[in-house]
Amino acid sequence: EIVMTQSPATLSVSPGERATLSCRASQSVSSNLAWYQQKPGQAPRLLIYGASTRATGIPARFSGSGSGTEFTLTISSLQSEDFAVYYCQQYNNWPPTWTFGQGTKVEIK
Amino acid sequence: EVQLVQSGAEVKKPGESLKISCKGSGYSFTSYWIGWVRQMPGKGLEWMGIIYPGDSDTRYSPSFQGQVTISADKSISTAYLQWSSLKASDTAMYYCARTGRDYGMDVWGQGTTVTVSS
Repeated sequence: EIVMTQSPATLSVSPGERATLSCRASQSVSSNLAWYQQKPGQAPRLLIYGASTRATGIPARFSGSGSGTEFTLTISSLQSEDFAVYYCQQYNNWPPTWTFGQGTKVEIK
Repeated sequence: EVQLVQSGAEVKKPGESLKISCKGSGYSFTSYWIGWVRQMPGKGLEWMGIIYPGDSDTRYSPSFQGQVTISADKSISTAYLQWSSLKASDTAMYYCARTGRDYGMDVWGQGTTVTVSS
């Protein structure tokens, strides 16, 4: 099973600042990497797929990069609605044993 | 509008059986995989498995193989997640999501809370 490790566990950021979240895979997942945002009491929402493609309706301040085993989600200027938990997920293998990272909580500094 | 609507919250006793549902609308239900994700209280997301309603091809995470059954009825655009004998450790929120091999999980249901307690 591919293990996804996110860092840091918690990121304290002031509104308007940049946030950089990391996700590492235990083996290469090519660009088959998605990022999700989850707010309290809500279902997750797809932000990024293919490591760097924004999903429909996702603001341009969200960007993804990386390939292979190292990935980054960047939020260029944090808005109040961006404080949430972010998960990465690899969907590389088939038959699928897709896995999520443990999440990074972005909180207000 | 593409939507997945899940069945309501459930409270069950250990050893009971349960089947929760996920109804799709606004798209061709038989042309997309549906995945299931578990979120235990205060914890992260766990990928459980997926089903292709078009032909009922089903794949499970090794962690959930034999613990749950995923099925679908394409005639009513509904996918299911079921347990034959619930345990307290099955207490969690369960999400379904439209799933693609090229993009992950793009449309999510609202979640179904399952509570198992004696």
